[in-house]
Amino acid sequence: DAMVIQNPRYQVTQFGKPVTLSCSQTLNHNVMYWYQQKSSQAPKLLFHYYDKDFNNEADTPDNFQSRRPNTSFCFLDIRSPGLGDAAMYLCATSRDGTRYGYTFGSGTRLTVV
Amino acid sequence: QKEVEQNSGPLSVPEGAIASLNCTYSDRVSQSFFWYRQYSGKSPELIMSIYSNGDKEDGRFTAQLNKASQYVSLLIRDSQPSDSATYLCAVTTNTGFQKLVFGTGTRLLVSP
Repeated sequence: DAMVIQNPRYQVTQFGKPVTLSCSQTLNHNVMYWYQQKSSQAPKLLFHYYDKDFNNEADTPDNFQSRRPNTSFCFLDIRSPGLGDAAMYLCATSRDGTRYGYTFGSGTRLTVV
Repeated sequence: QKEVEQNSGPLSVPEGAIASLNCTYSDRVSQSFFWYRQYSGKSPELIMSIYSNGDKEDGRFTAQLNKASQYVSLLIRDSQPSDSATYLCAVTTNTGFQKLVFGTGTRLLVSP
């Protein structure tokens, strides 16, 4: 089945230690998104790739970076995780925008110790 | 004013009842509207989309849209305990590239 896969499901990292979360998709969608969701809050868009074009949200901290080496893969890098970065990180894909909604991966729960 | 507003709940209904979930949005020119279901600790799952005024039915789910009032709702008929989850309303923005903005969600509890 075509899908969006996130690895790992759970990630524990130390305060200040760089961490990378990964997302892959078999849907051949050209847009990929990273959302951050904290407990009882709305998913918050961090950035998205439209094809190879990277688009950062204005309020996304510099501590968060992303890479998309090809259509299928996208990575979220957190350079120096703080305790406030503990959250569920959601990868989503779409074809050409929002008309048909997004397909989400299963998410990565990040814990910072 | 938040772009997408929902009552956080919980909304408690007995099994078999109709659950009514509501959402208001601030961007008058938004064009696409979605309801996602999110179980605790899981990722959002798309359950309904609606693009024009009126009702759209899919099984036990009905989405209702009123663009003049900037209001979208989700009705769940014959609610089941397995419907207990948080329901997220999502609306497209129209500034530059269209993106989805989510509400904080309404938690639904269906009691047996």
